[in-house]
Amino acid sequence: AQSVTQLDSQVPVFEEAPVELRCNYSSSVSVYLFWYVQYPNQGLQLLLKYLSGSTLVKGINGFEAEFNKSQTSFHLRKPSVHISDTAEYFCAVIPNRGGSEKLVFGKGTKLTVNP
Amino acid sequence: KAGVTQTPRYLIKTRGQQVTLSCSPISGHRSVSWYQQTPGQGLQFLFEYFSETQRNKGNFPGRFSGRQFSNSRSEMNVSTLELGDSALYLCASSFLGGNQPQHFGDGTRLSIL
Repeated sequence: AQSVTQLDSQVPVFEEAPVELRCNYSSSVSVYLFWYVQYPNQGLQLLLKYLSGSTLVKGINGFEAEFNKSQTSFHLRKPSVHISDTAEYFCAVIPNRGGSEKLVFGKGTKLTVNP
Repeated sequence: KAGVTQTPRYLIKTRGQQVTLSCSPISGHRSVSWYQQTPGQGLQFLFEYFSETQRNKGNFPGRFSGRQFSNSRSEMNVSTLELGDSALYLCASSFLGGNQPQHFGDGTRLSIL
């Protein structure tokens, strides 16, 4: 089975500061990794995904994440945040075996960007 | 291209009632998954349907059921509602399911009184 740990439940930062949201996972098989963002009263929107290839993945809204297999981590970063980045962020994994598999989510990290 | 549409957006029910939630996937997507989101438990997988067949199921009681129609639209039913069923129910679709990225609707917020 897979599990995802998001190490920080809340992260407050000031506008234009850099931010890193941490995600560690556990799995006995190879996985694909995702970051989703949820704005208030909305569903989840895919920010970026790692399927294979380069371990540095770039996503929408200036976010990027780095897959580290040895540390089983997939941390999300942004060099300069905006007020509009205030949202909850979810890391998720799924086995890359194909077929019928399900996404496993972390508990989420609430990012608050203050002026 | 229209996104995933969930109806209704908000629903208030009382204990013991039943409820049906609807999800229309992105056109061409054949896989529909349902998730329950609560502050305490986070996002939990309910089930996935593909080509009208339930392909995967999470650890929820039998009161939670679903189905998928030939046009890929899906419904989720919860019977004998309990206070603990209050949650945001999210539907997600993808072309083939499995490890493909899923596209989420805005959810149905269910409140049980």
